[in-house]
Amino acid sequence: GAGVSQSPSNKVTEKGKDVELRCDPISGHTALYWYRQSLGQGLEFLIYFQGNSAPDKSGLPSDRFSAERTGGSVSTLTIQRTQQEDSAVYLCASSLARGLAGGKSTDTQYFGPGTRLTVL
Amino acid sequence: DAKTTQPNSMESNEEEPVHLPCNHSTISGTDYIHWYRQLPSQGPEYVIHGLTSNVNNRMASLAIAEDRKSSTLILHRATLRDAAVYYCILRDGSARQLTFGSGTQLTVLP
Repeated sequence: GAGVSQSPSNKVTEKGKDVELRCDPISGHTALYWYRQSLGQGLEFLIYFQGNSAPDKSGLPSDRFSAERTGGSVSTLTIQRTQQEDSAVYLCASSLARGLAGGKSTDTQYFGPGTRLTVL
Repeated sequence: DAKTTQPNSMESNEEEPVHLPCNHSTISGTDYIHWYRQLPSQGPEYVIHGLTSNVNNRMASLAIAEDRKSSTLILHRATLRDAAVYYCILRDGSARQLTFGSGTQLTVLP
């Protein structure tokens, strides 16, 4: 079946502009995650959505970053007033997230191909 | 999540087995051991996970030490397509997001 898709695959923007990155999770997956990977760095957690619960925003680096998930499916990550240090690959993942905690330790995450953001 | 330690890089010859080690001396009794890999220019993909017993699937095998303080991901016959960064990750029962370390860059030589 279809995997996680992300758009655009590449985005070049000027410093100070706002950008929106889109994620389409696997159908039926209730959990959705955003991560980012800066050049030569590991993956860094940003935000987590689980069903209708309030999102876990603990990984967002500043208030310029926000995300929403409409109808429990598609998610949009918005970065306002982009800075050069925001340049990175932004990865989305989804999972079934069975269990009361919404994130059982055996839950598998399926990642999209990422959006490469370049801020000039 | 408890911390894991992996070698920065390893090399293997094509069609030979590869053993990728991971140390996790502070693992707790409820931590699962997960392995993901990231091929060049792609998002990470799940490889395998286990708790105490060794595990096998179509991609790899996971050998877990009796004291659970270390584990080894085994690729039985490396192919060029297996060249990737391999991440060993511990997840407890409340785990939501994955916490990635620096992983092991595997190079497969033809």
